[in-house]
Amino acid sequence: GIQVEQSPPDLILQEGANSTLRCNFSDSVNNLQWFHQNPWGQLINLFYIPSGTKQNGRLSATTVATERYSLLYISSSQTTDSGVYFCAVETTDSWGKLQFGAGTQVVVTP
Amino acid sequence: DTAVSQTPKYLVTQMGNDKSIKCEQNLGHDTMYWYKQDSKKFLKIMFSYNNKELIINETVPNRFSPKSPDKAHLNLHINSLELGDSAVYFCASSEYTGLPNSPLHFGNGTRLTVT
Repeated sequence: GIQVEQSPPDLILQEGANSTLRCNFSDSVNNLQWFHQNPWGQLINLFYIPSGTKQNGRLSATTVATERYSLLYISSSQTTDSGVYFCAVETTDSWGKLQFGAGTQVVVTP
Repeated sequence: DTAVSQTPKYLVTQMGNDKSIKCEQNLGHDTMYWYKQDSKKFLKIMFSYNNKELIINETVPNRFSPKSPDKAHLNLHINSLELGDSAVYFCASSEYTGLPNSPLHFGNGTRLTVT
């Protein structure tokens, strides 16, 4: 099956800092999504981005499907950005099954 | 106006018992899922239903039986609970048009602890 690798595994940021999270995947995908799991365990869909670039407030994401990676940018981080960020992908062979990466644990300190 | 709601939020039970988790979505989506998140936070799909029909069953022990009475509801029944079943179970939904999935929306999870 497809391999999904996220880096870094852990990230500590000071409030106001910018950061980039990376998701590499081993096969062509037709679906890529980014999720944020907050400290209370809620999973929030951030982006549905199989290709291209999207922005939502201080967050933006870029997927370069031909090079098999996606990036999630957090700008001017806030303590509410703390949590685990997951990348999930779906291939044509695994239609309907999102395969999740192991996540990046982000801690934003005041 | 919760989009995907599941109950209960917490479930503590003893080995060997049978328990159910309920899920409902009011988004009008055709497809619903159960995901399991283990103690290392790894998320893995268990089942998927499209308009009440089972379309994905990911080698889950047959002690786990999903049921979808209609496309807005997907319940998970677990028989003969084992210690290894302890995890957080998430219900989710997405639109289904035959094209690649639209964004996945998760419920708030049910933390199951088997003692």
